[in-house]
Amino acid sequence: QIQLVQSGPEVMKPGASVKVSCKASGYVFTTYGISWVRQAPGQGLEWMGWVSTYSDDSNYAQSFQGRITMTADTSTTTAYMELRSLTSDDTAVYYCARRGDLDYWGQGTLVTVSS
Amino acid sequence: DIQMTQSPSSLSASVGDRVTITCRASQAISNSLAWYQQKPGKVPKLLIYTISILQSGVPSRFSGSGSGTDFTLTISSLQPEDVATYYCQYYNTHPQVFGPGTKVEIK
Repeated sequence: QIQLVQSGPEVMKPGASVKVSCKASGYVFTTYGISWVRQAPGQGLEWMGWVSTYSDDSNYAQSFQGRITMTADTSTTTAYMELRSLTSDDTAVYYCARRGDLDYWGQGTLVTVSS
Repeated sequence: DIQMTQSPSSLSASVGDRVTITCRASQAISNSLAWYQQKPGKVPKLLIYTISILQSGVPSRFSGSGSGTDFTLTISSLQPEDVATYYCQYYNTHPQVFGPGTKVEIK
């Protein structure tokens, strides 16, 4: 069965970086790109960006430009999202999801930014 | 960039009622419009893609329609398990964008 399994919760200090992983299984990894979406406590869904699993292409939301990097490792069928210069506003659940219409989602990774 | 709005922001309806949620794009968009359901504390779930195609396993009481700038999600007969927040999403281009969500409750 198709699964996206994300890394565990993180507690980070302001100014630090976090890297969340998303391990895909059950399908050919290079068929679809991976999107990342976050949800702050009590808030809606926010699209962060997309990474290709079959080329070096990626695309990020303007609000994250300059402090985000998304990568995909085809050898391990794992996508990564790194967010730098964290502030308390980055406290959220981070999701990876497959395809443009996000048909399969990871379970979410809670990132808490606190001093 | 395209912006998506939803109305209403919340609604309360009785079991068995027909419920309609509207999603409006800031400009005419292609058919790459999806709807998601997120139950409290759970991962969002794809309900409908390409405006009106029901994702596998989604009950037939859910349907989608629309074109241009105006789109709707309809629940033909609201059930207790439909309590959730519903989001529309435009995914044809980057940046992708979600609507702000509509919270559905049972009266």
